Amino acid sequence: AQTVTQSQPEMSVQEAETVTLSCTYDTSESDYYLFWYKQPPSRQMILVIRQEAYKQQNATENRFSVNFQKAAKSFSLKISDSQLGDAAMYFCAYRTLLTSGTYKYIFGTGTRLKVLA
Amino acid sequence: EAGVTQFPSHSVIEKGQTVTLRCDPISGHDNLYWYRRVMGKEIKFLLHFVKESKQDESGMPNNRFLAERTGGTYSTLKVQPAELEDSGVYFCASSQEARTSQYFGPGTRLTVL
Repeated sequence: AQTVTQSQPEMSVQEAETVTLSCTYDTSESDYYLFWYKQPPSRQMILVIRQEAYKQQNATENRFSVNFQKAAKSFSLKISDSQLGDAAMYFCAYRTLLTSGTYKYIFGTGTRLKVLA
Repeated sequence: EAGVTQFPSHSVIEKGQTVTLRCDPISGHDNLYWYRRVMGKEIKFLLHFVKESKQDESGMPNNRFLAERTGGTYSTLKVQPAELEDSGVYFCASSQEARTSQYFGPGTRLTVL
């Protein structure tokens, strides 16, 4: 069965600095999707970035980028030029296809990011 | 465009009572999902609707949980009777197609005393 591990329950970063959140996963599948979601306090969970496993190029979205290491099953998120609005809980997720035809997301336990002014 | 909305945002009930959570997906999204995060643990899949039909309910913990999506629009998740271990945050998500990205709501925090 697939698993997702986020080993950092909490991280802090100084405003304008760079921070990397780690995520590892376990799977026997060769083609899959990985996601990073961000949930600010009491607000919507927002899709930050998505990576398709068959694409070697790392996904980027403005200040957010990933370091996808397929062989190592690692999918870390780098936030550059951190802003106060980046403070949130960040969830790493793996998408798997069930026999029913349902795409199920498997999440890590989350990393709470604090941004210090 | 409005995102996925959930009601209520918080609910506090006594053990043995009934609670109904509501989810309104993004307009036009046929696929609706329920997930749950028990405190400190990972978010886990509960079930998936395609329109009004249950596609997969393999994650539903037991028969105290009943999900419905009459008319294929909003969905409700009823817990009856609630137990202490049902406390957590219940997330709803929707997607236009099964293989497209899921968009999540803010969650309903349920506390069972």
